[in-house]
Amino acid sequence: GAGVSQSPRYKVAKRGQDVALRCDPISGHVSLFWYQQALGQGPEFLTYFQNEAQLDKSGLPSDRFFAERPEGSVSTLKIQRTQQEDSAVYLCASSLRLAGETDTQYFGPGTRLTVL
Amino acid sequence: AQKITQTQPGMFVQEKEAVTLDCTYDTSDQSYGLFWYKQPSSGEMIFLIYQGSYDEQNATEGRYSLNFQKARKSANLVISASQLGDSAMYFCAMREGRVGTGNQFYFGTGTSLTVIP
Repeated sequence: GAGVSQSPRYKVAKRGQDVALRCDPISGHVSLFWYQQALGQGPEFLTYFQNEAQLDKSGLPSDRFFAERPEGSVSTLKIQRTQQEDSAVYLCASSLRLAGETDTQYFGPGTRLTVL
Repeated sequence: AQKITQTQPGMFVQEKEAVTLDCTYDTSDQSYGLFWYKQPSSGEMIFLIYQGSYDEQNATEGRYSLNFQKARKSANLVISASQLGDSAMYFCAMREGRVGTGNQFYFGTGTSLTVIP
């Protein structure tokens, strides 16, 4: 497709369940980012991939959060044993070039996660 | 300290008028990029405009222009001839250029713009 796609768009989970959120970046984009956006706030960085390498995971809030991009394209963000504070919109973004350059990130529509 | 500060939680503008959304930033890097995104109620972040720290001219993209004042560390977005479809949240973001910073975007808290017919 032309843009970044994410699935599912909406996810409701019971507290304690595991969830997996998928991101399909723009074809050929080297860099991929995950952000968490709480209600009424700006997005906050979670993790960053350059191709299949996870170069920065400093924003992951706990060890319950895990992300992978095994073939350098599609990425999955997994949250284990979900908690209510995990409720947020999870945004994926991709950019064309490598780290160190100030190029534009293109965002997907996000996955709205609600933990009951 | 906040990397990006947006001090206007909400703004109103009359249709066809111009509006300025404020953004200040904080960085010690010499190389950085400043971005504005629009987020309608559908949730997708739509890229609007980019300004590089070394760009001497203010960026423009159609009805959007960025008033870049480097010494004041401000990067205000100007929307001319507002349209009803401009009603949305607007986020200012910065990406620092140092290798090893992770190249994440730092976002402000956003400004909700409402265009009044």
